[in-house]
Amino acid sequence: EAGVTQFPSHSVIEKGQTVTLRCDPISGHDNLYWYRRVMGKEIKFLLHFVKESKQDESGMPNNRFLAERTGGTYSTLKVQPAELEDSGVYFCASSFRDRKYEQYFGPGTRLTVT
Amino acid sequence: KNQVEQSPQSLIILEGKNCTLQCNYTVSPFSNLRWYKQDTGRGPVSLTIMTFSENTKSNGRYTATLDADTKQSSLHITASQLSDSASYICVVSVFGSNYQLIWGAGTKLIIKP
Repeated sequence: EAGVTQFPSHSVIEKGQTVTLRCDPISGHDNLYWYRRVMGKEIKFLLHFVKESKQDESGMPNNRFLAERTGGTYSTLKVQPAELEDSGVYFCASSFRDRKYEQYFGPGTRLTVT
Repeated sequence: KNQVEQSPQSLIILEGKNCTLQCNYTVSPFSNLRWYKQDTGRGPVSLTIMTFSENTKSNGRYTATLDADTKQSSLHITASQLSDSASYICVVSVFGSNYQLIWGAGTKLIIKP
């Protein structure tokens, strides 16, 4: 069974540019989560989808971040315009609807904003 | 403020030795506590998950303990192997929240031959 995949694995962009991160959850997982870890800090929750609906986006840092999950399958996280403090590793996780505590994580996308 | 603190920040031990990692939390209301292993360049992988009523859980050479009264947990690794080198992260879930996880900063463990 394929795990959670994320693309790209690493992205280097300049301040002010736009970047879109993609997450493909495990097939059949309704729950999809985005987390990020900025340099030297702990991982923090960004938002949670149930299928295509945003359950909670309280962890999104500001309106430069936009997450979508059209069709309830893969999800994208767009940062526009990127700032230096957005650098970090962005993780995606997914779980079955009724097993929300069993989250499976992707390898993460390392974002570097210069 | 909900927080999870881990110690030590990093640890180096020789292959075959045992070690214990610590986690203190101030998360309330508490739902469950998990330990994750994160290899370099990979996403976290769950090792154990414990609810309020559980005070110990094992997964192979990994044994986690939980003291809900003192709000402390430990992860004991027995007979360490080179493949145990990774970051170990303690994560506490907030009761009533479907998804809100409070993450510790992790302990970076290095196993030397």
